[in-house]
Amino acid sequence: GESVGLHLPTLSVQEGDNSIINCAYSNSASDYFIWYKQESGKGPQFIIDIRSNMDKRQGQRVTVLLNKTVKHLSLQIAATQPGDSAVYFCAERTSGTYKYIFGTGTRLKVLA
Amino acid sequence: EPEVTQTPSHQVTQMGQEVILRCVPISNHLYFYWYRQILGQKVEFLVSFYNNEISEKSEIFDDQFSVERPDGSNFTLKIRSTKLEDSAMYFCASRTDANEKLFFGSGTQLSVL
Repeated sequence: GESVGLHLPTLSVQEGDNSIINCAYSNSASDYFIWYKQESGKGPQFIIDIRSNMDKRQGQRVTVLLNKTVKHLSLQIAATQPGDSAVYFCAERTSGTYKYIFGTGTRLKVLA
Repeated sequence: EPEVTQTPSHQVTQMGQEVILRCVPISNHLYFYWYRQILGQKVEFLVSFYNNEISEKSEIFDDQFSVERPDGSNFTLKIRSTKLEDSAMYFCASRTDANEKLFFGSGTQLSVL
């Protein structure tokens, strides 16, 4: 089972720098991935998604990279802003199933 | 922009009482979900609902839990006899048939005393 008071890894970056948040997923059969941003007291907010037939996808100031060989997903945020401070989760889904499984999350702190 | 709405935002109840958490998914969405998040922990899947039936559920979703879509717009989660460990933030989510993007509501904070 999970431990109480799970300690989130934290990434601290200077405002204006680029951020890279990593996620290791568990199931090699997962074929769809989403990055979510969660601010305190709010629900997960969709940022960007990627399917397993792609290696890279770009959005506005964000890029997701997928490495299926090592089951690794990353979120790159360009020119990080104070409003980017939040907890970031990756989520995976396997074709043929309905559920989206969330990772443990990374706290991003943007330093002014 | 359409969004998933949840009510109430906070719910306080006594242990052993029944609670119903309410959600209005995005109007053209067909898949509905409940997740929960215990303070400081990750977001956990509870149940998915499609075509008026449960499509998948987790081990957490035991006989004390039930879901219902009583009409064309609402989606509810009922906990029959709440326990202290049910205290958590409960999130509703929905998606369309064609698009896998899953959108979340802002949650109901359930406190069981």
